[in-house]
Amino acid sequence: DTAVSQTPKYLVTQMGNDKSIKCEQNLGHDTMYWYKQDSKKFLKIMFSYNNKELIINETVPNRFSPKSPDKAHLNLHINSLELGDSAVYFCASSPTRQVPYGYTFGSGTRLTVV
Amino acid sequence: RKEVEQDPGPFNVPEGATVAFNCTYSNSASQSFFWYRQDCRKEPKLLMSVYSSGNEDGRFTAQLNRASQYISLLIRDSKLSDSATYLCVVDSGNTPLVFGKGTRLSVIA
Repeated sequence: DTAVSQTPKYLVTQMGNDKSIKCEQNLGHDTMYWYKQDSKKFLKIMFSYNNKELIINETVPNRFSPKSPDKAHLNLHINSLELGDSAVYFCASSPTRQVPYGYTFGSGTRLTVV
Repeated sequence: RKEVEQDPGPFNVPEGATVAFNCTYSNSASQSFFWYRQDCRKEPKLLMSVYSSGNEDGRFTAQLNRASQYISLLIRDSKLSDSATYLCVVDSGNTPLVFGKGTRLSVIA
């Protein structure tokens, strides 16, 4: 049983399209995150949700809109895709928003915009 | 100054060698520290938490120096399977975790 699962694993799309990435965790965690890992392998936080509520939005363009229908799911919708959006997007979760606990990551979604 | 800085490497070491990575962090209020491991084209996985007193897990030893704001990871008796990128991770004082860019390790037969 996968603890944090993301779909799709790979996504190739044209500039200007709109796409969504889904994430689900079955760990009973309260807090979920989206991270972006660019071509230089730098992992950067995008959003954080706690019990379905947005708590962190790290100056991400508003073309990116997260949605959390319940605390086990955090989806990411991206409008008007640009070449610079190409990256690996990782979903993660943690038991609470306090940080003594490490995060559990999903296996990532490799987005390529052409 | 970047929040978390690491030497990117690569560190190329023979099997059986001992190798050490350091990491510095800028936020003196940080309370939680971790080392993650990321294999090529895979997700980061928690290797170990780092405690003030230092901690050991088999061949891996982590140390924290709060005064100098650095964290270290020592790997003894390196195995081929230790080849990966090691990410230094620090809490920002206000979630979420901040990741360093990672140090790449290649263990060679």
